[in-house]
Amino acid sequence: SQQGEEDPQALSIQEGENATMNCSYKTSINNLQWYRQNSGRGLVHLILIRSNEREKHSGRLRVTLDTSKKSSSLLITASRAADTASYFCARSTDSWGKLQFGAGTQVVVTP
Amino acid sequence: DTGVSQDPRHKITKRGQNVTFRCDPISEHNRLYWYRQTLGQGPEFLTYFQNEAQLEKSRLLSDRFSAERPKGSFSTLEIQRTEQGDSAMYLCASSLERAEKEQFFGPGTRLTVL
Repeated sequence: SQQGEEDPQALSIQEGENATMNCSYKTSINNLQWYRQNSGRGLVHLILIRSNEREKHSGRLRVTLDTSKKSSSLLITASRAADTASYFCARSTDSWGKLQFGAGTQVVVTP
Repeated sequence: DTGVSQDPRHKITKRGQNVTFRCDPISEHNRLYWYRQTLGQGPEFLTYFQNEAQLEKSRLLSDRFSAERPKGSFSTLEIQRTEQGDSAMYLCASSLERAEKEQFFGPGTRLTVL
């Protein structure tokens, strides 16, 4: 079963706009990771944020983590049509690194 | 291409048949994970290996499922007596031996059980 929730479930925006999606979870974490999945393909790692970190950047991506609220957000700035994909947050809760995924946010960016 | 390969990419089988999937991780990665993903859902953890040792199995992994990683390199996932509920995408991922390392996913094997 899923161990957290992404919000919204779906997001439709135009090129150039920013896209924000949120992830909530229930148990303490070692780290939280964001992945992208294009339709019917494997997952691509985007960003890993550790439990003692509050914010990380990678190119047009910004991830925040609030462990007191057990939530994280992913911001994609200046979106492009190529950003169309499903985005998943995944929690790592043990030393072995297994990941617990949410159901994902489906993002559609229209030209 | 992440460097993790899976074979086959698609498998159609009849209910009751056995199927086997293969995963080749990135060569220096000693951790290997199997996940299952159904339509509209995120991946769910099935099992993982540290080198050749299988360290944890999810309760999702019924007795019909078995996974091996005989020499600590490639891994196989076998499903015996397939059921229609086994239809899903089976994803393999590998990582270095640290919890705070990202996992690299293969393209997946899509299984359809008729």
